[in-house]
Amino acid sequence: EAQVTQNPRYLITVTGKKLTVTCSQNMNHEYMSWYRQDPGLGLRQIYYSMNVEVTDKGDVPEGYKVSRKEKRNFPLILESPSPNQTSLYFCASSRTSGTSYEQYFGPGTRLTVT
Amino acid sequence: SQQGEEDPQALSIQEGENATMNCSYKTSINNLQWYRQNSGRGLVHLILIRSNEREKHSGRLRVTLDTSKKSSSLLITASRAADTASYFCATAGSGNTGKLIFGQGTTLQVKP
Repeated sequence: EAQVTQNPRYLITVTGKKLTVTCSQNMNHEYMSWYRQDPGLGLRQIYYSMNVEVTDKGDVPEGYKVSRKEKRNFPLILESPSPNQTSLYFCASSRTSGTSYEQYFGPGTRLTVT
Repeated sequence: SQQGEEDPQALSIQEGENATMNCSYKTSINNLQWYRQNSGRGLVHLILIRSNEREKHSGRLRVTLDTSKKSSSLLITASRAADTASYFCATAGSGNTGKLIFGQGTTLQVKP
């Protein structure tokens, strides 16, 4: 089954404790992206990757890091989480970069930073 | 500010009725996409309409696009309780970043 998976689905952590949210897709997609969803602000792009070893900042990259060492994986790293990073996070992938194709979204990771 | 703005913000209808949601955007686009999100879950792609298309159908969904008015509408016919969800329009950002700019969404409740 074609899908994007994220882990963990739920995470409660404390300020400053490094964490990684994993994202994996099995569709051989070139393009992957991270969004966060906040009430009243909608979905905003954090980082994106057009292919292996190619990543770039989205609209709200501060406090986040990503890497793309393999085509299927695109982890999101919070080196020192803060309460303002409490949010619902989505990973998405698409056949290629650009927006000519639909994006497939993961089920989301609900992160709470206390 | 958001590229896409949906209207209404919330809509409540009875099963079997039609639901219409509207989306307005600000800049020129290559395409516009509609997504559905069930509460707290991932977004699911519904339909993509290109800038040179005016109308597109997929099952019970009908999407129109008016580039002169920078607006789109999503019509769900013969709605079902399972259609209860939030619906978002998304447009492409500038450049080739693949970024989709989402509106705030319309929350649709279909009462059985």
